[in-house]
Amino acid sequence: DQQVKQNSPSLSVQEGRISILNCDYTNSMFDYFLWYKKYPAEGPTFLISISSIKDKNEDGRFTVFLNKSAKHLSLHIVPSQPGDSAVYFCAASDYSEKLTFGTGTRLTIIP
Amino acid sequence: KAGVTQTPRYLIKTRGQQVTLSCSPISGHRSVSWYQQTPGQGLQFLFEYFSETQRNKGNFPGRFSGRQFSNSRSEMNVSTLELGDSALYLCASRPRTGGGTEAFFGQGTRLTVV
Repeated sequence: DQQVKQNSPSLSVQEGRISILNCDYTNSMFDYFLWYKKYPAEGPTFLISISSIKDKNEDGRFTVFLNKSAKHLSLHIVPSQPGDSAVYFCAASDYSEKLTFGTGTRLTIIP
Repeated sequence: KAGVTQTPRYLIKTRGQQVTLSCSPISGHRSVSWYQQTPGQGLQFLFEYFSETQRNKGNFPGRFSGRQFSNSRSEMNVSTLELGDSALYLCASRPRTGGGTEAFFGQGTRLTVV
């Protein structure tokens, strides 16, 4: 049972434009959400997080939006840069330490 | 501040052998979690240790075990290796246990079982 889903395996965006990555979850107990960026053969790098008491969190070019009623979150990257090309994972946690990850979206920024 | 350090980076083992992987968390972080990444299953939670105690365990067989030392360093052991254990094993550290905090990952150990 996939509790965190990233339905787009890949996404291509022109440099300078907005990249929007989506994530859906099914477990109502999740109350903390994170986005990670990952290059091959390396560990995930933390990007940004959001608590369920908020609906938006910004950090530089990265903004995460949370829609609790729809059980949906998205990551916006503006403007997109070539160095943003990587696999992006969303992850969710409840009261415990365990992170449940989505299957990832490969983002390619086209120069 | 130094990040999470995992050793070794790469490992090749034969089916039936056992292996031990090591993780040193960020200084001051007391929670260490382990994850397995495979192409088919994605990132799967193995277990979490805090103050030398296992706090949470994922859905993996008993061949997968771990421990944490008083300096928060952690080791993960896999016995009787199977071909399907080939994966990237990732360690993550947090300043405290419980949800609501970011987990910072190491570079991982790439284990290949032949």
